[in-house]
Amino acid sequence: NAGVMQNPRHLVRRRGQEARLRCSPMKGHSHVYWYRQLPEEGLKFMVYLQKENIIDESGMPKERFSAEFPKEGPSILRIQQVVRGDSAAYFCASSLGAENEKLFFGSGTQLSVL
Amino acid sequence: AQSVTQPDIHITVSEGASLELRCNYSYGATPYLFWYVQSPGQGLQLLLKYFSGDTLVQGIKGFEAEFKRSQSSFNLRKPSVHWSDAAEYFCAVGGHGQNFVFGPGTRLSVLP
Repeated sequence: NAGVMQNPRHLVRRRGQEARLRCSPMKGHSHVYWYRQLPEEGLKFMVYLQKENIIDESGMPKERFSAEFPKEGPSILRIQQVVRGDSAAYFCASSLGAENEKLFFGSGTQLSVL
Repeated sequence: AQSVTQPDIHITVSEGASLELRCNYSYGATPYLFWYVQSPGQGLQLLLKYFSGDTLVQGIKGFEAEFKRSQSSFNLRKPSVHWSDAAEYFCAVGGHGQNFVFGPGTRLSVLP
C-alpha cells in the first residue's frame, strides 16, 4: 500500500540543464498537485492535474516549467534551463477526487542548481 | 483571493507544556481548513481538517483545532507537547474545486 512516491529524492543540476521530477500518486488517485517549497517559505501551489489534463496551472512560471500526467505512468514536472533560483523542494500530492477531502503528500524532491 | 497567515515563524516550548499555533485565513466562502505537519526531510502529513459541523476538531497525535468564523482563525492546540512534535506546521485553506493555499509555516522546537 505505497503512498505517493517521488523520485529522485535529491537532484543536482548545473545551470542550463533540464530537471525532471517524477511523482507516482497513490493507487487509485487520479488527481495530482505539485507544490514548491522555497527555503524559509511555505508551500506554493504550482499546478493541478488530472489524468491527461491540466486543470489549473496558475502557479506555474510562464517559462521553462511544464507538467504532465499521462494516461499511463507518473506525473512529470519538467524544468528546462534551470537557474539557481529554481533550487527548492518540490512536493507532489495526490487525492482521490476533486473535493479537497484529503491530500497525500510525497516526501519531495530536493532540487539543487549549481 | 484566499490567503493564510501564520503569525509565528518559530515557537519554542518545553516538553510537557501546552501549545497553540495560530492560523488566520482569508476566504470568500466557507473554507475547508487543514493543518499539516512536516518533519525534516519529509513530506507533509495531515493532522486534522475542518469541513463543517462541530467547530472543534480532533486530529492525530493528540492535536485539536478550533474554527472561529468571527475571527477567521483555525488555531492548532495540544495540551502537552512531546519532543517528537518538533517539526514545521502548516495551515492550509481550500474550497470546493479550489486549490489549497498554504501558510508560511511555524517551526516548533521542543526543549527537554
